[in-house]
Amino acid sequence: QVQLVQSGAEVKEAGASVKVSCKASEFSFTGYDVNWVRQATGQGLEWMGGMSANGGNTYYAQKFQDRLTMTRDTSINTAYMELRSLRSDDTAVYYCARLICGGECSRRRYFDYWGQGALVTVSS
Amino acid sequence: QSVLTQPPSVSAAPGQTVTISCSGSSSNIGNNYVSWYQQFPGTAPKLLIYDNYKRPSGIPDRFSGSKSGTSATLGITGLQPGDEADYSCEVYDNSLSAVVFGGGTKVTVL
Repeated sequence: QVQLVQSGAEVKEAGASVKVSCKASEFSFTGYDVNWVRQATGQGLEWMGGMSANGGNTYYAQKFQDRLTMTRDTSINTAYMELRSLRSDDTAVYYCARLICGGECSRRRYFDYWGQGALVTVSS
Repeated sequence: QSVLTQPPSVSAAPGQTVTISCSGSSSNIGNNYVSWYQQFPGTAPKLLIYDNYKRPSGIPDRFSGSKSGTSATLGITGLQPGDEADYSCEVYDNSLSAVVFGGGTKVTVL
């Protein structure tokens, strides 16, 4: 069955970087965009950005533009999200999710499968 | 402050019906399709409704979605204790060129 399995919890100091992985089973990232969403404790979901199915395009939320990089390794069907210059308010659970588009992707789209989440704790 | 507005909480007795509203604008709900996610504490969100009203395989028909203008609504009929969770709406915002989520609504079964 389709699964997204993420790497484990991380503890980082402020100013450091974190790289979270997301390994896909029973489907290939070359056929789907993968997006990343985070959630601070007690807060709502916050979209960070994504990578296109062909890997040729990444798109980031404006607030993360200057310190976020998404990559992937198709040989091991794994996507990565790296966030730099960490601050205490980056402490959150980070999720990867598979994006489904119906026609025009900006109009008709949803996340059908999610990873289990990876807790990133930033100490100041 | 979320672009999409949801009530922080709703509650009802078992067997009753609850509705959760998600209010947006013409740049998001008014022109795009809405999805809803269910999330239990400590777990990942789960797709509940997509394309405004469609249910993925395995989601009971007690859950329903609708959209009118710049607002969307999630309905849960025959409320069960196992429905206690957080529910979030989601849609693409054309002005922000970004995916936006509602702040989430906690459903409590009394």
